[in-house]
Amino acid sequence: ELKVEQNPLFLSMQEGKNYTIYCNYSTTSDRLYWYRQDPGKSLESLFVLLSNGAVKQEGRLMASLDTKARLSTLHITAAVHDLSATYFCAVEPATSNFGNEKLTFGTGTRLTIIP
Amino acid sequence: GAVVSQHPSWVICKSGTSVKIECRSLDFQATTMFWYRQFPKQSLMLMATSNEGSKATYEQGVEKDKFLINHASLTLSTLTVTSAHPEDSSFYICSQLVPGGNIQYFGAGTRLSVL
Repeated sequence: ELKVEQNPLFLSMQEGKNYTIYCNYSTTSDRLYWYRQDPGKSLESLFVLLSNGAVKQEGRLMASLDTKARLSTLHITAAVHDLSATYFCAVEPATSNFGNEKLTFGTGTRLTIIP
Repeated sequence: GAVVSQHPSWVICKSGTSVKIECRSLDFQATTMFWYRQFPKQSLMLMATSNEGSKATYEQGVEKDKFLINHASLTLSTLTVTSAHPEDSSFYICSQLVPGGNIQYFGAGTRLSVL
Protein backbone atom coordinates (compact mmCIF):
# COMPACT_ATOMS: atom_id res chain seq x y z
CA GLU A 1 0.00 0.00 0.00
CA LEU A 2 1.35 3.36 -1.02
CA LYS A 3 1.75 5.79 1.87
CA VAL A 4 2.48 9.47 1.49
CA GLU A 5 3.59 11.60 4.42
CA GLN A 6 4.14 15.32 4.59
CA ASN A 7 6.18 17.24 7.08
CA PRO A 8 5.37 19.50 8.78
CA LEU A 9 1.60 19.23 9.22
CA PHE A 10 1.24 22.83 10.34
CA LEU A 11 3.55 25.72 9.69
CA SER A 12 3.33 29.31 10.78
CA MET A 13 5.99 31.64 9.50
CA GLN A 14 6.63 35.33 9.06
CA GLU A 15 6.58 37.10 5.75
CA GLY A 16 9.92 37.25 4.03
CA LYS A 17 11.20 33.98 5.45
CA ASN A 18 12.11 30.79 3.61
CA TYR A 19 10.93 27.28 4.40
CA THR A 20 10.69 23.81 2.90
CA ILE A 21 7.85 21.32 3.04
CA TYR A 22 8.77 17.67 2.65
CA CYS A 23 6.82 14.85 1.02
CA ASN A 24 7.95 11.26 1.55
CA TYR A 25 6.35 8.28 -0.11
CA SER A 26 6.71 4.58 0.44
CA THR A 27 6.88 2.92 -2.96
CA THR A 28 8.43 3.41 -6.36
CA SER A 29 7.04 6.33 -8.27
CA ASP A 30 8.27 8.97 -10.67
CA ARG A 31 5.09 10.98 -10.85
CA LEU A 32 4.41 13.46 -8.13
CA TYR A 33 2.03 16.37 -7.98
CA TRP A 34 1.70 19.39 -5.73
CA TYR A 35 -1.64 21.07 -5.09
CA ARG A 36 -2.80 24.10 -3.17
CA GLN A 37 -6.12 24.28 -1.34
CA ASP A 38 -7.61 27.45 0.10
CA PRO A 39 -10.15 27.12 2.94
CA GLY A 40 -13.47 25.84 1.68
CA LYS A 41 -12.19 25.58 -1.85
CA SER A 42 -11.07 22.81 -4.15
CA LEU A 43 -7.56 21.98 -5.28
CA GLU A 44 -5.39 24.02 -7.58
CA SER A 45 -2.61 22.26 -9.45
CA LEU A 46 0.81 23.77 -8.76
CA PHE A 47 3.44 21.41 -10.12
CA VAL A 48 3.76 18.13 -11.95
CA LEU A 49 7.08 16.33 -11.45
CA LEU A 50 7.63 13.41 -13.80
CA SER A 51 11.26 12.35 -13.47
CA ASN A 52 14.11 11.99 -11.03
CA GLY A 53 15.79 15.31 -10.48
CA ALA A 54 12.89 17.31 -11.84
CA VAL A 55 12.77 20.87 -10.57
CA LYS A 56 10.04 23.36 -11.31
CA GLN A 57 9.56 26.92 -10.15
CA GLU A 58 6.64 29.28 -10.18
CA GLY A 59 7.01 32.59 -8.42
CA ARG A 60 8.09 32.04 -4.84
CA LEU A 61 7.51 28.29 -4.96
CA MET A 62 9.94 25.68 -6.18
CA ALA A 63 9.34 21.93 -6.22
CA SER A 64 11.81 19.12 -6.70
CA LEU A 65 11.72 15.35 -6.93
CA ASP A 66 14.25 12.73 -5.87
CA THR A 67 12.83 9.36 -6.86
CA LYS A 68 15.72 7.43 -5.35
CA ALA A 69 15.08 8.95 -1.93
CA ARG A 70 11.32 8.88 -2.56
CA LEU A 71 11.23 12.49 -1.54
CA SER A 72 9.80 15.68 -2.95
CA THR A 73 10.26 19.16 -1.55
CA LEU A 74 8.27 22.35 -1.92
CA HIS A 75 10.43 25.34 -1.11
CA ILE A 76 8.98 28.71 -0.26
CA THR A 77 11.15 31.75 -0.81
CA ALA A 78 10.48 35.10 0.87
CA ALA A 79 6.98 34.10 1.90
CA VAL A 80 4.07 36.48 1.45
CA HIS A 81 0.64 36.38 3.05
CA ASP A 82 -1.04 35.25 -0.18
CA LEU A 83 0.75 31.92 0.09
CA SER A 84 -1.27 30.99 3.18
CA ALA A 85 -3.11 27.77 2.27
CA THR A 86 -2.92 24.02 2.68
CA TYR A 87 -0.48 22.29 0.38
CA PHE A 88 -0.85 18.67 -0.66
CA CYS A 89 1.51 16.40 -2.48
CA ALA A 90 0.06 13.43 -4.34
CA VAL A 91 1.79 10.39 -5.77
CA GLU A 92 0.87 8.11 -8.63
CA PRO A 93 2.25 4.54 -8.47
CA ALA A 94 4.97 3.68 -10.98
CA THR A 95 3.04 0.60 -12.04
CA SER A 96 0.07 2.61 -13.28
CA ASN A 97 -0.88 3.39 -16.84
CA PHE A 98 0.49 6.84 -17.33
CA GLY A 99 -1.92 9.57 -16.40
CA ASN A 100 -4.75 7.19 -15.72
CA GLU A 101 -4.25 6.01 -12.19
CA LYS A 102 -5.52 7.08 -8.86
CA LEU A 103 -3.53 9.48 -6.74
CA THR A 104 -2.60 8.95 -3.11
CA PHE A 105 -2.55 12.25 -1.29
CA GLY A 106 -0.25 13.31 1.50
CA THR A 107 -1.51 14.48 4.85
CA GLY A 108 -1.33 18.12 3.83
CA THR A 109 0.64 21.02 5.27
CA ARG A 110 -1.38 23.93 6.58
CA LEU A 111 0.72 27.03 6.00
CA THR A 112 0.01 30.36 7.66
CA ILE A 113 2.09 33.39 6.75
CA ILE A 114 2.12 36.07 9.39
CA PRO A 115 2.54 39.68 8.25
CA GLY B 1 -6.71 25.16 -17.96
CA ALA B 2 -9.55 22.71 -18.24
CA VAL B 3 -12.78 23.62 -16.51
CA VAL B 4 -14.59 21.17 -14.32
CA SER B 5 -17.99 22.25 -13.05
CA GLN B 6 -19.31 20.65 -9.87
CA HIS B 7 -22.82 21.24 -8.61
CA PRO B 8 -24.15 21.98 -6.06
CA SER B 9 -21.46 23.71 -4.04
CA TRP B 10 -23.24 23.25 -0.73
CA VAL B 11 -26.18 21.11 0.28
CA ILE B 12 -27.91 20.57 3.59
CA CYS B 13 -30.30 17.66 3.83
CA LYS B 14 -32.17 15.61 6.37
CA SER B 15 -30.99 12.22 7.46
CA GLY B 16 -32.38 9.43 5.30
CA THR B 17 -32.67 11.46 2.11
CA SER B 18 -30.55 11.09 -1.03
CA VAL B 19 -28.34 13.73 -2.56
CA LYS B 20 -26.99 13.86 -6.11
CA ILE B 21 -23.79 15.67 -6.97
CA GLU B 22 -22.90 16.44 -10.58
CA CYS B 23 -19.47 16.79 -12.12
CA ARG B 24 -19.32 18.20 -15.63
CA SER B 25 -16.45 18.64 -17.99
CA LEU B 26 -16.86 21.88 -19.90
CA ASP B 27 -13.78 21.83 -22.11
CA PHE B 28 -13.08 18.23 -23.00
CA GLN B 29 -14.43 14.71 -22.99
CA ALA B 30 -13.36 12.81 -19.91
CA THR B 31 -13.36 9.04 -20.06
CA THR B 32 -12.15 8.85 -16.48
CA MET B 33 -13.31 10.82 -13.49
CA PHE B 34 -12.44 10.44 -9.83
CA TRP B 35 -14.50 11.08 -6.73
CA TYR B 36 -12.83 12.07 -3.49
CA ARG B 37 -14.05 12.74 0.02
CA GLN B 38 -12.37 15.12 2.42
CA PHE B 39 -13.25 15.36 6.10
CA PRO B 40 -12.46 18.62 7.93
CA LYS B 41 -8.76 19.28 8.23
CA GLN B 42 -7.90 15.99 6.63
CA SER B 43 -6.50 14.94 3.29
CA LEU B 44 -8.40 13.76 0.25
CA MET B 45 -9.39 10.13 0.15
CA LEU B 46 -10.25 8.53 -3.17
CA MET B 47 -13.69 6.97 -3.11
CA ALA B 48 -14.02 5.62 -6.62
CA THR B 49 -12.88 5.83 -10.20
CA SER B 50 -15.61 6.46 -12.70
CA ASN B 51 -15.22 5.23 -16.25
CA GLU B 52 -17.59 6.28 -19.01
CA GLY B 53 -19.87 3.47 -20.06
CA SER B 54 -18.80 1.01 -17.38
CA LYS B 55 -19.20 0.39 -13.69
CA ALA B 56 -17.21 2.49 -11.28
CA THR B 57 -14.30 1.02 -9.38
CA TYR B 58 -14.68 1.60 -5.66
CA GLU B 59 -11.90 1.82 -3.12
CA GLN B 60 -11.79 -0.55 -0.22
CA GLY B 61 -14.24 0.40 2.49
CA VAL B 62 -16.47 2.51 0.25
CA GLU B 63 -20.00 1.13 -0.05
CA LYS B 64 -21.01 1.03 -3.69
CA ASP B 65 -24.69 0.74 -2.84
CA LYS B 66 -24.51 3.87 -0.72
CA PHE B 67 -22.44 5.99 -3.06
CA LEU B 68 -23.91 5.45 -6.49
CA ILE B 69 -21.80 6.66 -9.38
CA ASN B 70 -23.11 7.11 -12.88
CA HIS B 71 -20.87 8.12 -15.78
CA ALA B 72 -23.30 7.93 -18.63
CA SER B 73 -21.64 10.44 -20.91
CA LEU B 74 -18.16 11.74 -21.60
CA THR B 75 -18.94 15.05 -19.97
CA LEU B 76 -20.97 14.11 -16.92
CA SER B 77 -20.45 11.94 -13.87
CA THR B 78 -22.81 11.93 -10.91
CA LEU B 79 -22.38 10.78 -7.33
CA THR B 80 -25.54 10.00 -5.38
CA VAL B 81 -25.29 9.64 -1.62
CA THR B 82 -28.23 7.43 -0.77
CA SER B 83 -29.97 7.45 2.60
CA ALA B 84 -27.54 10.03 3.88
CA HIS B 85 -26.59 10.08 7.54
CA PRO B 86 -24.72 12.68 9.58
CA GLU B 87 -21.49 10.69 9.30
CA ASP B 88 -21.68 11.21 5.52
CA SER B 89 -21.25 14.94 6.05
CA SER B 90 -18.07 15.83 4.24
CA PHE B 91 -16.54 17.74 1.34
CA TYR B 92 -16.89 15.78 -1.89
CA ILE B 93 -14.62 16.64 -4.82
CA CYS B 94 -14.56 15.28 -8.34
CA SER B 95 -11.64 15.40 -10.73
CA GLN B 96 -11.10 14.64 -14.36
CA LEU B 97 -8.14 13.68 -16.47
CA VAL B 98 -7.46 15.55 -19.66
CA PRO B 99 -7.19 12.92 -22.40
CA GLY B 100 -3.53 12.23 -23.08
CA GLY B 101 -2.51 14.49 -20.22
CA ASN B 102 -1.11 13.88 -16.77
CA ILE B 103 -2.94 16.41 -14.64
CA GLN B 104 -6.18 15.93 -12.80
CA TYR B 105 -8.41 18.98 -12.81
CA PHE B 106 -10.60 19.30 -9.78
CA GLY B 107 -14.13 20.56 -9.39
CA ALA B 108 -14.92 23.25 -6.84
CA GLY B 109 -16.22 20.65 -4.41
CA THR B 110 -19.56 20.04 -2.72
CA ARG B 111 -20.00 20.52 0.97
CA LEU B 112 -22.61 18.07 2.24
CA SER B 113 -24.17 18.58 5.65
CA VAL B 114 -26.61 15.92 6.83
CA LEU B 115 -28.80 16.90 9.76
